[in-house]
Amino acid sequence: GQNIDQPTEMTATEGAIVQINCTYQTSGFNGLFWYQQHAGEAPTFLSYNVLDGLEEKGRFSSFLSRSKGYSYLLLKELQMKDSASYLCAVVDSNYQLIWGAGTKLIIKP
Amino acid sequence: ETGVTQTPRHLVMGMTNKKSLKCEQHLGHNAMYWYKQSAKKPLELMFVYSLEERVENNSVPSRFSPECPNSSHLFLHLHTLQPEDSALYLCASSQDRTGAETQYFGPGTRLLVL
Repeated sequence: GQNIDQPTEMTATEGAIVQINCTYQTSGFNGLFWYQQHAGEAPTFLSYNVLDGLEEKGRFSSFLSRSKGYSYLLLKELQMKDSASYLCAVVDSNYQLIWGAGTKLIIKP
Repeated sequence: ETGVTQTPRHLVMGMTNKKSLKCEQHLGHNAMYWYKQSAKKPLELMFVYSLEERVENNSVPSRFSPECPNSSHLFLHLHTLQPEDSALYLCASSQDRTGAETQYFGPGTRLLVL
């Protein structure tokens, strides 16, 4: 079967750095998405990785290793507004999107 | 504001009621999706429409009935639902049907079935 694993919940301190991991076992791979979802709001696009390596976008970076079936989202200089759920999703060989259950990130002052 | 709107935002219904959820996208996209989101579970894809044709139906019970009258509007008609259908229902759109396209989500309808 196809599976996406990410931690259920993480806690971090304002101003710090946090890394949210995502591991996947899917039938093929055609890219990996990260979305952010604030409570009661729509998921919004953060990043898309299809090649190995790190992509940086402001305070957020996303890393991919296809050989390890692994990605992480790195959030720097954490702000209270970063408290949200972070969803990992993988595009499989049939171009179907396989979703993880999301990681709830709690930021403390 | 992502360009995808959903109404109503909240809905409480009894098991014998009939109601409809509405989604509208203002992005000129060709594909639209209905998802079910339950606490601590992955998003469940329910239906996919591409150019107003239903291209995917993931074994969803017949008490959920989608309708796509044009490429900008998507409805989910609900009847004789069960309490386990209580969840957040999200609509999304993307430029095309392939999973590698970024999807833009609406804020969702929080549904409670009593």
